[in-house]
Amino acid sequence: GAGVSQTPSNKVTEKGKYVELRCDPISGHTALYWYRQSLGQGPEFLIYFQGTGAADDSGLPNDRFFAVRPEGSVSTLKIQRTERGDSAVYLCASSLTLARTDTQYFGPGTRLTVL
Amino acid sequence: DAKTTQPPSMDCAEGRAANLPCNHSTISGNEYVYWYRQIHSQGPQYIIHGLKNNETNEMASLIITEDRKSSTLILPHATLRDTAVYYCIVRVAYNQGGKLIFGQGTELSVKP
Repeated sequence: GAGVSQTPSNKVTEKGKYVELRCDPISGHTALYWYRQSLGQGPEFLIYFQGTGAADDSGLPNDRFFAVRPEGSVSTLKIQRTERGDSAVYLCASSLTLARTDTQYFGPGTRLTVL
Repeated sequence: DAKTTQPPSMDCAEGRAANLPCNHSTISGNEYVYWYRQIHSQGPQYIIHGLKNNETNEMASLIITEDRKSSTLILPHATLRDTAVYYCIVRVAYNQGGKLIFGQGTELSVKP
């Protein structure tokens, strides 16, 4: 079956611009996670959703970052007034539920470059 | 969150077993050990997880010590395609949403 998909695969933008990154989770998965991975580092948690609600957004670095999941399926990560330090690979993962034994399946990521 | 310690890099000869160690001395009794790997430019891929018993699947085996303070991931017959960064993760309790806390991982190089 289809895995987690993310679009675009690459995004180049200029400092100060607004960007949206999209995640399509595996069908039927209620939990959705966003992570960010800087060069040479492991992925870092940003936010997760259970259904439509953001249950934990403690990893969002500041208020320029926002994520939504209006219908409990597709999610969009939004970054306002981008900065060069936002350059990273943004990873999305989904799991059937939030249970510890439910595997998180990752998408291929969106590579964001802020010039 | 319980932290993990892994060697930064390891080499393994093709066809031999790769044994990747992980220390997690502060793990709680209800926390699972998860292993993921990340091949260059791809998203992390799930390998295996366990609580206290040893586990085996088509990809690997997971050996957890009796005191649960360390574990070893075993790739029985490593191939060149197993070259990747391997992450050992202690997964937080369910009431914290099960987010994964990644460390630096072990970069495994499988050589011909």
